[in-house]
Amino acid sequence: GENVEQHPSTLSVQEGDSAVIKCTYSDSASNYFPWYKQELGKRPQLIIDIRSNVGEKKDQRIAVTLNKTAKHFSLHITETQPEDSAVYFCAASIETSGNTPLVFGKGTRLSVIA
Amino acid sequence: NAGVTQTPKFRILKIGQSMTLQCTQDMNHNYMYWYRQDPGMGLKLIYYSVGAGITDKGEVPNGYNVSRSTTEDFPLRLELAAPSQTSVYFCASSYSFSEAFFGQGTRLTVV
Repeated sequence: GENVEQHPSTLSVQEGDSAVIKCTYSDSASNYFPWYKQELGKRPQLIIDIRSNVGEKKDQRIAVTLNKTAKHFSLHITETQPEDSAVYFCAASIETSGNTPLVFGKGTRLSVIA
Repeated sequence: NAGVTQTPKFRILKIGQSMTLQCTQDMNHNYMYWYRQDPGMGLKLIYYSVGAGITDKGEVPNGYNVSRSTTEDFPLRLELAAPSQTSVYFCASSYSFSEAFFGQGTRLTVV
């Protein structure tokens, strides 16, 4: 089955700097790659996703890149703010299959230092 | 829209007791999931369902059972609770194996 590795497990950045979180996946058939943000004591919430027919997607300060050949994708957060502090999870799935639901990475705890 | 609703929010069980975690969604999603999240860890899939009457095991199904009699509801049953089942349980739903909407979680402690 699918296996998703996520690095780093913790990341500290100064406010205003950029943060990059990287994930690799094992199943070349995976075609949907979401990123979730989980604030302390809250539920995970989708912040951005990318499908395998595109290489990059951007939404304000957040961007995701996908390299299908290397089977890795990354989350980029620019101009970080204290409210970006949270745990971020990547995931992968085969969107239209009947038996390959989302598999999550172990998460990255991002701390933005004011 | 309420989205995905889980009950209860908190529960303390004694070893060997049983309980059912309730999950209901009002988005008419066919796909539903149960994940568990241990402290400082990621989300591990327990069971999932792609429609009423269909369920499948995930990565960590032992000690749990599910049923899916309606599109809206996907209860998770714990039989003979063990300390290893202390965790936060999240129910989620989605249109396909894409964007998943999560419930607020159930924090379960087995003592």
